[in-house]
Amino acid sequence: EAGVAQSPRYKIIEKRQSVAFWCNPISGHATLYWYQQILGQGPKLLIQFQNNGVVDDSQLPKDRFSAERLKGVDSTLKIQPAKLEDSAVYLCASSGTGTGLYEQYFGPGTRLTVT
Amino acid sequence: AQSVTQLGSHVSVSEGALVLLRCNYSSSVPPYLFWYVQYPNQGLQLLLKYTTGATLVKGINGFEAEFKKSETSFHLTKPSAHMSDAAEYFCAVRAMDTGRRALTFGSGTRLQVQP
Repeated sequence: EAGVAQSPRYKIIEKRQSVAFWCNPISGHATLYWYQQILGQGPKLLIQFQNNGVVDDSQLPKDRFSAERLKGVDSTLKIQPAKLEDSAVYLCASSGTGTGLYEQYFGPGTRLTVT
Repeated sequence: AQSVTQLGSHVSVSEGALVLLRCNYSSSVPPYLFWYVQYPNQGLQLLLKYTTGATLVKGINGFEAEFKKSETSFHLTKPSAHMSDAAEYFCAVRAMDTGRRALTFGSGTRLQVQP
């Protein structure tokens, strides 16, 4: 089966610009996650969706970050305006049901550099 | 609340030597525990997981880990290191029986394998 797809793989923008990342989870996976991984750190959850509803967005900086999953399939994460400290890898992951609900499958990530 | 501590941000071993990567967790409820591996410019790949049952779990590529509740540890081992094991390893915890399935990650351990 196809894995989690993310695009773009790399993005360089100037501070105060906006940027959007796209994620397509594994087919049939109801739960989708966005994580931020700053260099030298472990991934940190930004937002979790169950189908098209938000389960947890407590660590999402809502003044500049937004995310949506309108049809319960693919998702978009947006940053507007970007700050230097947003430079990181943005990872999308998905998980399914049954025994698969324990496992999260990660995409390759989008590496964002803010200059 | 949950947290993960990985002792040693860098570990270097010789090819053929034992690999031991340490992970301690803190969780107010029984946890699920995971080890992920990340190769350069790639997403995270699940190595192994502990959910319930046997406390010694075996994963891919010859890795295994033992859940020790009394020590709140989940150390990762491999009897004989290969050059291909060089990567970053992340320990993660998730609370059992909750809709909030997001993972809390440690800060990672970079494994170097010397020829």
